[in-house]
Amino acid sequence: GNSVTQMEGPVTLSEEAFLTINCTYTATGYPSLFWYVQYPGEGLQLLLKATKADDKGSNKGFEATYRKETTSFHLEKGSVQVSDSAVYFCALNTNTGNQFYFGTGTSLTVIP
Amino acid sequence: EPEVTQTPSHQVTQMGQEVILRCVPISNHLYFYWYRQILGQKVEFLVSFYNNEISEKSEIFDDQFSVERPDGSNFTLKIRSTKLEDSAMYFCASSGGGLAGGYNEQFFGPGTRLTVL
Repeated sequence: GNSVTQMEGPVTLSEEAFLTINCTYTATGYPSLFWYVQYPGEGLQLLLKATKADDKGSNKGFEATYRKETTSFHLEKGSVQVSDSAVYFCALNTNTGNQFYFGTGTSLTVIP
Repeated sequence: EPEVTQTPSHQVTQMGQEVILRCVPISNHLYFYWYRQILGQKVEFLVSFYNNEISEKSEIFDDQFSVERPDGSNFTLKIRSTKLEDSAMYFCASSGGGLAGGYNEQFFGPGTRLTVL
């Protein structure tokens, strides 16, 4: 079946630290991969996406590369800011249906 | 910037009662979705809706659940007789559509937290 596994949180980092949130997936076919972010009190917002192997999605200093050989889509940022504190969700869509498959979410807190 | 809105933000109900969760998707979107997240667990797909009918639903979406687009702007999720295990955050989403709606970004609302006592 289709599923997403992402690293357990919560994650606490100091400002300007390097961030990695691991995400691996299981899917039939060739899924599209996404990272969504949820800031406190808000809905899930698309952060970045990649639709085929070796694509790199990037936005707001975050990036993730679609690795088919390791079935991974790890989220990275070189220097986090306090404003990056949020919950991050990895997700996939199989492109044959409408539903997204989400991970459990990883809570990130960045301290000054 | 257009956004998906949901009301109420928090709903408390007694077990066995009916609840209706309301969503206003982005106005020119064609696909509508409900997801839920039980505390500490994954965000789970419930149902997708297109052209005034359900296009896909999960095993969770049993006869206790129904969806409706009663007018041109609202999209509702009804739980007929709530159970304790229905307590969760419910997210509405919409997307622009196309033959494969999943190719398009799904825009999510802020969620309704449902607490069943």
